[in-house]
Amino acid sequence: GAGVSQSPRYKVAKRGQDVALRCDPISGHVSLFWYQQALGQGPEFLTYFQNEAQLDKSGLPSDRFFAERPEGSVSTLKIQRTQQEDSAVYLCASSLRRLAGATGELFFGEGSRLTVL
Amino acid sequence: QQQVKQSPQSLIVQKGGISIINCAYENTAFDYFPWYQQFPGKGPALLIAIRPDVSEKKEGRFTISFNKSAKQFSLHIMDSQPGDSATYFCAASKGGFQKLVFGTGTRLLVSP
Repeated sequence: GAGVSQSPRYKVAKRGQDVALRCDPISGHVSLFWYQQALGQGPEFLTYFQNEAQLDKSGLPSDRFFAERPEGSVSTLKIQRTQQEDSAVYLCASSLRRLAGATGELFFGEGSRLTVL
Repeated sequence: QQQVKQSPQSLIVQKGGISIINCAYENTAFDYFPWYQQFPGKGPALLIAIRPDVSEKKEGRFTISFNKSAKQFSLHIMDSQPGDSATYFCAASKGGFQKLVFGTGTRLLVSP
């Protein structure tokens, strides 16, 4: 596709439910990031993949959060036993390279807005 | 601990005016400073970025000014247009990596 695609765009979950958010990065992009954006705030780093390897998961807020990218393309962010504080927009971003720069621009998807009731 | 502080929170500028947004950082290991533009319901999009070896970078109407000793950098939007109305985020990272620390955002409104 032309850009980073995320689904679903909107998800309403009851507290305690499990949710799965999908990210289709730009074809050929090696690096994939997940960010969490609370209302009125800047995005916060959650985790990073280089191909299928999860190299950094230091931003995941709890062990209820799990991300995978088994074949080095599509990624899924899973949140177990959702809590109200998990309500946020979850942004996926991909980049051709690991490093920023002329060929390392980070492209963001439109996000998945999660509301936990 | 907020590693990148951004101000103002909101800004109203008349069409044709100059919009100025400021950021300050704490971690001297940061070496990549991008600015992102975000429209409602969309993801952030890279606007312009700078590394600390230069004090200024200009791309069209957008300029980043960087002051390494003060640990501050700013975005200037010249000849601001209504289409520039959006939320702007500064960010920083170490090692030139894409693991970005974002500021809290500035909501810019350019009045016609």
